[in-house]
Amino acid sequence: DTGVSQNPRHKITKRGQNVTFRCDPISEHNRLYWYRQTLGQGPEFLTYFQNEAQLEKSRLLSDRFSAERPKGSFSTLEIQRTEQGDSAMYLCASSSVIAVPYEQYFGPGTRLTVT
Amino acid sequence: AQSVTQLGSHVSVSEGALVLLRCNYSSSVPPYLFWYVQYPNQGLQLLLKYTSAATLVKGINGFEAEFKKSETSFHLTKPSAHMSDAAEYFCAVSHYYKLSFGAGTTVTVRA
Repeated sequence: DTGVSQNPRHKITKRGQNVTFRCDPISEHNRLYWYRQTLGQGPEFLTYFQNEAQLEKSRLLSDRFSAERPKGSFSTLEIQRTEQGDSAMYLCASSSVIAVPYEQYFGPGTRLTVT
Repeated sequence: AQSVTQLGSHVSVSEGALVLLRCNYSSSVPPYLFWYVQYPNQGLQLLLKYTSAATLVKGINGFEAEFKKSETSFHLTKPSAHMSDAAEYFCAVSHYYKLSFGAGTTVTVRA
């Protein structure tokens, strides 16, 4: 299977701890996206990379959140000093710059629970 | 800014009955529209997409959607529901590189 993969699938952490999630996109895709989905809602855009460059960050991405994509391959999303409001499903997606109109393929998500 | 509204947060249908999920969009430019399905504790799977070619779009698992510019709608249908169609469905509109999703419609299928 060469789809988008995310690790871990589930993470339970205590408030105030730092967590890091990883996303491995489809190998030929140079665009990578992070979304957050809370219970009963649709996913909300967090940030976007084209290759290694982070081109947009949503206002939802507070200073406690940081995302990287070194060498334009996998990406990490780190949340520092987690809060209960950070509990959500974090989804990663990737797409090809050639594909129009930006058809995105999603990974299985990382479900974060902050206790 | 582009946005979508899904009408009805829950839809319950009998097995074999028509499935109709409603989505209306708001866009200042010709939109690119998508329907995704999400099974419990899983990511999103693309069902179908509208890219300004044909107004009637066929997707996977027997689903199709019709783009109606006059009604700013992109409703999803399936003629005959199957138990495996029980899931959450999201309509989305593309704004350049990012997707804006509706709140979702949960489909339950009664035997």
